[in-house]
Amino acid sequence: DAGVIQSPRHEVTEMGQEVTLRCKPISGHDYLFWYRQTMMRGLELLIYFNNNVPIDDSGMPEDRFSAKMPNASFSTLKIQPSEPRDSAVYFCASSQLLTGGGYGNSPLHFGNGTRLTVT
Amino acid sequence: LAKTTQPISMDSYEGQEVNITCSHNNIATNDYITWYQQFPSQGPRFIIQGYKTKVTNEVASLFIPADRKSSTLSLPRVSLSDTAVYYCLVGDPFFRGGADGLTFGKGTHLIIQP
Repeated sequence: DAGVIQSPRHEVTEMGQEVTLRCKPISGHDYLFWYRQTMMRGLELLIYFNNNVPIDDSGMPEDRFSAKMPNASFSTLKIQPSEPRDSAVYFCASSQLLTGGGYGNSPLHFGNGTRLTVT
Repeated sequence: LAKTTQPISMDSYEGQEVNITCSHNNIATNDYITWYQQFPSQGPRFIIQGYKTKVTNEVASLFIPADRKSSTLSLPRVSLSDTAVYYCLVGDPFFRGGADGLTFGKGTHLIIQP
């Protein structure tokens, strides 16, 4: 199992440019999450999908941000136009809803993130 | 209203047992308590999850009192490599509460010294 794969690992761009971050979740996982991490605000949930359908996007900062999940194995987070305040580490995570007895246990599996710098 | 409150930072020494407490006064009946660990330049990693009493795995123990308004993550005999940020989350593991239970906050920065 390769885990959650994010690309690129680092992205440096100029203000006003479009940025696209990519994520491949773990095969078989039916939930996908996008997070943003900064020193000031910590780890914030931006949006999450269930079976490729966006469930809650209330964390998306503004209309410049958009996320898609065209199929079960791929998701993108796009920022257009980018601004310096968007500089952060963006994480993608996936999870598989487990049913049955015992403890509910649907841990999130995170990728290693994309460090975005907007100058 | 914050769902969880945990110390911003803690220090300890190699070989010691470390206990990190998280307060969650408004925990709901369906909520579970989940702890994650994050190293620099990596995403958070699941450590342990529980609903009540005590849960133990190969990495840590989780103690939850009867009223479930707090929980304590216990790391036995820590080493330098346990230096990381630890997050306490409270929510429905089946995601029935929507984004509740998916809020990480700023966590507890644990520093282990030689």
